[in-house]
Amino acid sequence: AQTVTQSQPEMSVQEAETVTLSCTYDTSESDYYLFWYKQPPSRQMILVIRQEAYKQQNATENRFSVNFQKAAKSFSLKISDSQLGDAAMYFCAYRSSPTYKYIFGTGTRLKVLA
Amino acid sequence: DVKVTQSSRYLVKRTGEKVFLECVQDMDHENMFWYRQDPGLGLRLIYFSYDVKMKEKGDIPEGYSVSREKKERFSLILESASTNQTSMYLCASSLRQGLGGYTFGSGTRLTVV
Repeated sequence: AQTVTQSQPEMSVQEAETVTLSCTYDTSESDYYLFWYKQPPSRQMILVIRQEAYKQQNATENRFSVNFQKAAKSFSLKISDSQLGDAAMYFCAYRSSPTYKYIFGTGTRLKVLA
Repeated sequence: DVKVTQSSRYLVKRTGEKVFLECVQDMDHENMFWYRQDPGLGLRLIYFSYDVKMKEKGDIPEGYSVSREKKERFSLILESASTNQTSMYLCASSLRQGLGGYTFGSGTRLTVV
């Protein structure tokens, strides 16, 4: 069975600095998708970024980028120029290609310090 | 703007009550999901549905059932609420095909007393 591990329950970053959130996963599959979701205090979970496993190029969305290391089964999220609005719980998620289900990590709470 | 709407933001119920949590999406998504979210445990899948009247058990289905009579509506039912079902419940939907991620509802904080 696939698992997703987020080893950092909580992290802090100064405003305008860069922070990296870690995620590792375990799978025997070769075709899958990885996601980062953000859950602000308002609770609405929103998609931040996604990566297809067959793509070697790391996904980027504005200030958010990933470091996808397929062999190491690592999928970290880098947030550049951190803003107060980035404060939230961040969840890493895995989706096997032929299924509809996602497997989520336990989350990392990010605090942004002014 | 596409939406997944959960009928209640906060709910307090008594032990033994039958509880209905409703979720409606307006995106014509085939797949719908119910998760519960607990601190330190992340999101755990309770049930999901990939079509009307279809349902499949997730990782923690015990004590729950679901109903999907219409494509846009997916209901989670707690047959006899217990205190260990106090949690945040999140509904999500997605297209059957493609890379699209989930669209989540705002969540229902259920407290069973």
